[in-house]
Amino acid sequence: GENVEQHPSTLSVQEGDSAVIKCTYSDSASNYFPWYKQELGKGPQLIIDIRSNVGEKKDQRIAVTLNKTAKHFSLHITETQPEDSAVYFCAAIYNQGGKLIFGQGTELSVKP
Amino acid sequence: GAVVSQHPSRVICKSGTSVKIECRSLDFQATTMFWYRQFPKKSLMLMATSNEGSKATYEQGVEKDKFLINHASLTLSTLTVTSAHPEDSSFYICSARDLRDRHFGNGTRLTVT
Repeated sequence: GENVEQHPSTLSVQEGDSAVIKCTYSDSASNYFPWYKQELGKGPQLIIDIRSNVGEKKDQRIAVTLNKTAKHFSLHITETQPEDSAVYFCAAIYNQGGKLIFGQGTELSVKP
Repeated sequence: GAVVSQHPSRVICKSGTSVKIECRSLDFQATTMFWYRQFPKKSLMLMATSNEGSKATYEQGVEKDKFLINHASLTLSTLTVTSAHPEDSSFYICSARDLRDRHFGNGTRLTVT
């Protein structure tokens, strides 16, 4: 069945360091991989996404890489800031236009 | 950008009563909306997919008679938790899909006493 595994579950970094979160997915037909940031008491906010026809995408301090062969994708945040502290979720579309399946989440803490 | 409005943000109700949660797409039409449930420090679990003008599709293990979903227009879907019990207490989040992306509401914190 559909499954997205996300690691680590918690991540603590010093301000200015980089943070990397990794996900794997089970459905080889998945073609859309968004990343969400969720702050306490709020809904998830899309921060970056990647589609299966590209291997990497960057938006300022945030980048995502995708390895379709290995069914891995990763989020990279550089020059982290305290306001980056939140829970981050990866997700994958399970089938064409269908269900969005979330990873377990990573609680990122950036210490000043 | 596209905005999804969810109301109420918080609700407290007594056991046995029903609660309705609304999800509106404010500046786009959404033929499909999704309802998720999230427990503390856990991921979002898809409950059901709501399609405008037709019956919702529920995920395995979700009681359709307990979680009633109505998607009567292209901008509004509602989730009604019927005969709520303390175990229904949770954070409920809706999502609406436009032509490209999925947009999430800010969630509803339901507490059943």
